[in-house]
Order: sequence, then C-alpha cells, then structure tokens
Amino acid sequence: EDKVVQSPLSLVVHEGDTVTLNCSYEVTNFRSLLWYKQEKKAPTFLFMLTSSGIEKKSGRLSSILDKKELFSILNITATQTGDSAIYLCAGLNQGAQKLVFGQGTRLTINP
Amino acid sequence: NAGVTQTPKFRILKIGQSMTLQCTQDMNHNYMYWYRQDPGMGLKLIYYSVGAGITDKGEVPNGYNVSRSTTEDFPLRLELAAPSQTSVYFCASRGQPEAFFGQGTRLTVV
Repeated sequence: EDKVVQSPLSLVVHEGDTVTLNCSYEVTNFRSLLWYKQEKKAPTFLFMLTSSGIEKKSGRLSSILDKKELFSILNITATQTGDSAIYLCAGLNQGAQKLVFGQGTRLTINP
Repeated sequence: NAGVTQTPKFRILKIGQSMTLQCTQDMNHNYMYWYRQDPGMGLKLIYYSVGAGITDKGEVPNGYNVSRSTTEDFPLRLELAAPSQTSVYFCASRGQPEAFFGQGTRLTVV
C-alpha cells in the first residue's frame, strides 16, 4: 500500500527563521512527488519533483528529492507570517495514477 | 475560468440520510480524485478515476460510491450517512503536472 509520511506534524518558529519540512514516501512505481500549501481552504500547488533529483526553487521556497532514500524536503528561508499554513506532500504512482497525501505539517510563524 | 467546482459548500445531514457531492471540472483532465480531510489532518483518498467509465478505490472508500459517466463530472455518493463521515471533502482534477482542487464541501452528520 502506498504511504507518505510527513514530519514534523507541527512546527512553530519566529519570523525570519529558516525551516525544513520532511516527506518520506513508499509509492509503487513512483512517478513524482508534489508539494502543496493549504491556508484556509483548498491546497495550492508549490512544486513537483521527480527522480531526476533536480532542485526546484520559487522565491524563498525550495525543494529537492532523494530518490535513493525515498525522501523529500521543503525549505523555507526568511520565513514570514504569511507562510503560516499546512504543507502537504503527495506521492503519485506511474501506473494507477493514484495521488496519496501525507498527514501534513502545520507551520506557524510568529512575529 | 472555473477550474474545479464543488457543490454544495456546506451541508448538514441526519444519520442514515443520503446525499451526492457534485464535482465538475472544465479543464478536460482525465484524472479526478475525491479526498476527505478531518480536522488537523492531511487528505485521505476516497476514490479516484483515470477517465470516463473508470473508477478505483482509494484509502478510505467504505461508505462512499462514485461514478464517472463523463470527463467533466465525478460525483461522490454517501448512501447511509454516519457521524464518522463528518469532514471536509475535496475534489481534485489533475493535468500535468499539478492537481487542482475545488473549494471543498463541509459536511456535518448529526
């Protein structure tokens, strides 16, 4: 059974800190891993990563996948209060196209 | 530019009642998904579909049914509502590479 596990489940930091969120995956016929940010309502897409190992960046956010360790991290530098959200990662398998999410990390940035 | 549309936004059901959550997408995506999200938790996959006429169970399918008669529509049916089905339900459709989500349906079973 496909499984995605995120850690920590909850994280509280001060504005300006750097955070690293973790995502491990066990996905049959792995195709890609997706990161999402969820504020009040629907999740919004951040990054897609594949086994190529190429790092993805967008402003203060970056993410990379380690295909050997079946692990991905999401880094946020110089955090702002607007970064407070639940961050979700999801594994996608090649054949069935099933998209399975982890439990999420609730990130709180205090001013 | 509608994307993924879910209806209703809110619903209160009595135990044993039935209802259908509607989901429509206008992006011509083949892949569609239904998730539930309990408070403070991640998304649990209920059912998914890779195209019209094809559906498959996810992680938590019990108590739910789906159909996919067209590319656009992927309704989720609750036959005998139970308090354990109180949750927020999200429908998503996936192109390349990302999945787009509807705004969710908050369902309370009392």
